[in-house]
Amino acid sequence: TQLLEQSPQFLSIQEGENLTVYCNSSSVFSSLQWYRQEPGEGPVLLVTVVTGGEVKKLKRLTFQFGDARKDSSLHITAAQPGDTGLYLCSRSGGSNYKLTFGKGTLLTVNP
Amino acid sequence: ETGVTQSPTHLIKTRGQQVTLRCSSQSGHNTVSWYQQALGQGPQFIFQYYREEENGRGNFPPRFSGLQFPNYSSELNVNALELDDSALYLCASSFGGRGDYGYTFGSGTRLTVV
Repeated sequence: TQLLEQSPQFLSIQEGENLTVYCNSSSVFSSLQWYRQEPGEGPVLLVTVVTGGEVKKLKRLTFQFGDARKDSSLHITAAQPGDTGLYLCSRSGGSNYKLTFGKGTLLTVNP
Repeated sequence: ETGVTQSPTHLIKTRGQQVTLRCSSQSGHNTVSWYQQALGQGPQFIFQYYREEENGRGNFPPRFSGLQFPNYSSELNVNALELDDSALYLCASSFGGRGDYGYTFGSGTRLTVV
């Protein structure tokens, strides 16, 4: 059972468009990570958010952690074909050592 | 600084066979975790090794086993392979075993069971 719900599951857009993907849970996270995974590769860590309400920016990517620490969003401005990939959110809780992942959002940016 | 390396990159096995997958952790990392990623799914936690001992296990049967060596490299062994074991197997390393600040993943081993 996936404890993290990601939406949408699939997203296909044109280069230059903006998009937002979401990660939601019924329980509180102590921290949340966003990864991007390209075909044939392992996930690559993009950001970790820890504080409720936190906003982090990574070039054209903006990550937000909900005030109640149960949800997060990733917004991409002016998407480029290089942004294509599977975007995964994951959580770990307190002394919990394992990462629990959502199913991911598969993003395709068409030139 | 070297990243996480996994071998082999691809593998085809027959149902009932046994397989060993290998992982070298990133320099400075002492903890290795293994994940299984089926097609269209997020990675699922198999187990973690810290200081050469299993430090936690996900919902996988005992035919999934592992080892960690003094140099922090690790092996994942799967016995009596089943068709549903076909997946991408990912190794991730970290320092200290906490997941809070993310792990470094390898590129994975694509296992196909026929």
